[in-house]
Amino acid sequence: DAKTTQPNSMESNEEEPVHLPCNHSTISGTDYIHWYRQLPSQGPEYVIHGLTSNVNNRMASLAIAEDRKSSTLILHRATLRDAAVYYCILTQFSVNRDDKIIFGKGTRLHILP
Amino acid sequence: NAGVTQTPKFQVLKTGQSMTLQCAQDMNHNSMYWYRQDPGMGLRLIYYSASEGTTDKGEVPNGYNVSRLNKREFSLRLESAAPSQTSVYFCASSDPGLAGIYEQYFGPGTRLTVT
Repeated sequence: DAKTTQPNSMESNEEEPVHLPCNHSTISGTDYIHWYRQLPSQGPEYVIHGLTSNVNNRMASLAIAEDRKSSTLILHRATLRDAAVYYCILTQFSVNRDDKIIFGKGTRLHILP
Repeated sequence: NAGVTQTPKFQVLKTGQSMTLQCAQDMNHNSMYWYRQDPGMGLRLIYYSASEGTTDKGEVPNGYNVSRLNKREFSLRLESAAPSQTSVYFCASSDPGLAGIYEQYFGPGTRLTVT
């Protein structure tokens, strides 16, 4: 399985943009890039995913490098509620539909008021 | 919709005791999963079920059994609890679709302590 590398922790000021990096140099052509986050004492929640093009949704934006070996999750205006662990995950379609995903340790994002 | 529900929220067991963690989803998803999360760590997959009637081992299946009772329910059983199984257990469900693009929806977790 292709692996991802993320910084252990990051800090950002409230109301400023946050760029969370993820390296995935062994990504294959059929791997999707997913981001989940886990708020304190909660289960993970889906944030965004992409394949090749940049993606935007109400929660965040995902910028994918042209060679797909790295990606960046962008929170446009961080709030205290965005303090969480953010996981960058690669997923691959399986003909057996056994769609396992592998969580790493993620990046713990601290938001400073 | 309640989404994914788990019971109980908290449990304390003595070494050697058995228990079953319950999980149910009301989103008509085909796939369901059990993960454990140890302090300061990411989630590790214990077992998953790609569809009703099928189950498969994940990364850390030893010491656990599962049952996919029907499409809605997926239970995790500890036959003889050990202190190493102290963890937070999360159940999740998804419906990948033909393109393999999917979101997993997670329950609130069960915090289990084995003494």
